[in-house]
Amino acid sequence: ETGVTQTPRHLVMGMTNKKSLKCEQHLGHNAMYWYKQSAKKPLELMFVYNFKEQTENNSVPSRFSPECPNSSHLFLHLHTLQPEDSALYLCASSQGDRVYGYTFGSGTRLTVV
Amino acid sequence: KQEVTQIPAALSVPEGENLVLNCSFTDSAIYNLQWFRQDPGKGLTSLLLIQSSQREQTSGRLNASLDKSSGRSTLYIAASQPGDSATYLCAVCDNNNDMRFGAGTRLTVKP
Repeated sequence: ETGVTQTPRHLVMGMTNKKSLKCEQHLGHNAMYWYKQSAKKPLELMFVYNFKEQTENNSVPSRFSPECPNSSHLFLHLHTLQPEDSALYLCASSQGDRVYGYTFGSGTRLTVV
Repeated sequence: KQEVTQIPAALSVPEGENLVLNCSFTDSAIYNLQWFRQDPGKGLTSLLLIQSSQREQTSGRLNASLDKSSGRSTLYIAASQPGDSATYLCAVCDNNNDMRFGAGTRLTVKP
């Protein structure tokens, strides 16, 4: 474990389901991120939170809804997803100034059927 | 907008060979550069982090260099082993705290 824990590791959901991804970090970082990794594409930044406040939304569809109740926890709420949303969703954390780089979780493999 | 390119996209080498992975970026005004390893279906493991004021970092058999003026970084792996097989990602953080990833180099080390 890297200090960033993601659950569940795998998730299969139908297009009408509602589910949530969870990320938790025990590193004392104050910035958290959601990334999407699709096959054969670079990582795509989705959302950035600094001190619980969303500071970046990279034109993500509203069917993805992030929540950051505190600096240690980050959620990604999913509803009415499409098959093309199937991907590996990665959470990362860092100090706000990123001087020590990023620490990533192991990811959630999402399949939308 | 910063663009990060990694060449080659895939590389296959026999065990024991020394190898170099390349990363190039278009904007030299960077804050730091980080190399990651990713095993299939898994998250990213940080290997080396180079601050903009540094020229290289070393960890075991790995050595990463940074040449900001030419927009290049290399990851050198000495005496490669089958366990080194993975995808290696380069990520550049700029002075606006925006981090951009390359598409990665998929390395296979054959026994």
